[in-house]
Amino acid sequence: ELKVEQNPLFLSMQEGKNYTIYCNYSTTSDRLYWYRQDPGKSLESLFVLLSNGAVKQEGRLMASLDTKARLSTLHITAAVHDLSATYFCAVVGDSSYKLIFGSGTRLLVRP
Amino acid sequence: SAVISQKPSRDICQRGTSLTIQCQVDSQVTMMFWYRQQPGQSLTLIATANQGSEATYESGFVIDKFPISRPNLTFSTLTVSNMSPEDSSIYLCSVVTGEQFFGPGTRLTVL
Repeated sequence: ELKVEQNPLFLSMQEGKNYTIYCNYSTTSDRLYWYRQDPGKSLESLFVLLSNGAVKQEGRLMASLDTKARLSTLHITAAVHDLSATYFCAVVGDSSYKLIFGSGTRLLVRP
Repeated sequence: SAVISQKPSRDICQRGTSLTIQCQVDSQVTMMFWYRQQPGQSLTLIATANQGSEATYESGFVIDKFPISRPNLTFSTLTVSNMSPEDSSIYLCSVVTGEQFFGPGTRLTVL
């Protein structure tokens, strides 16, 4: 059974600092997503990672995937308040496209 | 990408009643899913809505409690039956068009 572990669960950081969110999964998968969720809102797709060594960047966020280690990271560079949200990683469990979600990381960026 | 709408956006219901949630997509999609997000929690897949056949339910979810219809490739409904306060959640539909996208969600409160 595929399990997805995400850490930390909560992250409070100052503006301008860097930090990394980690996502580990237990079995082979060929697709990993990162989503952002603002309070009371739905999920916004940030990145989809398809292959080992994949790296994608958008603004201050960069995601990478190591399929051998079954690990993905979401790196935040020089955080700003607008990045405050909950971030989820999700892994496709099998060829049916069903997503298994991590527990989420609630990010608070303080001035 | 896909434009997904859900109705209602929110509702407050009495214990023992049922609510049907609608999901409409602006293009034909093969893969459509229903997820639940309980307060402060991550997302859990309820079922895969199959066009022309019965939905496929995940462990812990049953058809009598969460009947699903999928009459065509752009529309699906999820009914939450005989509701209890434990059913208070956000219910989201999701589709796959290259990537996996989520609807805006239906926030359900059961009193």
